[in-house]
Amino acid sequence: DTAVSQTPKYLVTQMGNDKSIKCEQNLGHDTMYWYKQDSKKFLKIMFSYNNKELIINETVPNRFSPKSPDKAHLNLHINSLELGDSAVYFCASSSGLAQQETQYFGPGTRLLVL
Amino acid sequence: DAKTTQPTSMDCAEGRAANLPCNHSTISGNEYVYWYRQIHSQGPQYIIHGLKNNETNEMASLIITEDRKSSTLILPHATLRDTAVYYCIVRVRTGTASKLTFGTGTRLQVTL
Repeated sequence: DTAVSQTPKYLVTQMGNDKSIKCEQNLGHDTMYWYKQDSKKFLKIMFSYNNKELIINETVPNRFSPKSPDKAHLNLHINSLELGDSAVYFCASSSGLAQQETQYFGPGTRLLVL
Repeated sequence: DAKTTQPTSMDCAEGRAANLPCNHSTISGNEYVYWYRQIHSQGPQYIIHGLKNNETNEMASLIITEDRKSSTLILPHATLRDTAVYYCIVRVRTGTASKLTFGTGTRLQVTL
């Protein structure tokens, strides 16, 4: 039983295309996150949703649009893909917003833009 | 944005204790110290967290200095499967939300 799952695991696409990455958690958590890990292995938060409401947006280009249809899902749609979008994207979830809440991460989606 | 300093890499012999240090000299009174690790190509994995007191769980122990300016993660009996990048994180609160700000971490290599 995978707690936080992401699809697809790998995504190879051409520059200029539009693509979506999906994330689902079966932990009953209220808060979900998207992180990006670039080629230098820096892991940075992009977005956070709590109860389907956007609460963190870390100056990500508006080509990136997260969508949370319900508390268990947080999808990431990327328009007009650029070479610099190549990275590993991790989804995470936590039970709430309290500072001591633990975040659980998914296995990652490896995006390669050609 | 990282508020922590860690050594770039460390080695540890299998079966020995791995002690991973972290400096967080600007930590605020209500900020928690978290440790995560990332095994190659996998998502980060939670290890342990603490505020003031030392903490222990089935994976590790966390020792926080009295002034809270530094901490040490202890893996009591390291195995080859503990080879990973270990991140020490000070949890930052942003308005109503809190986020993890990852630094560069310590690459721990456990050897035979």
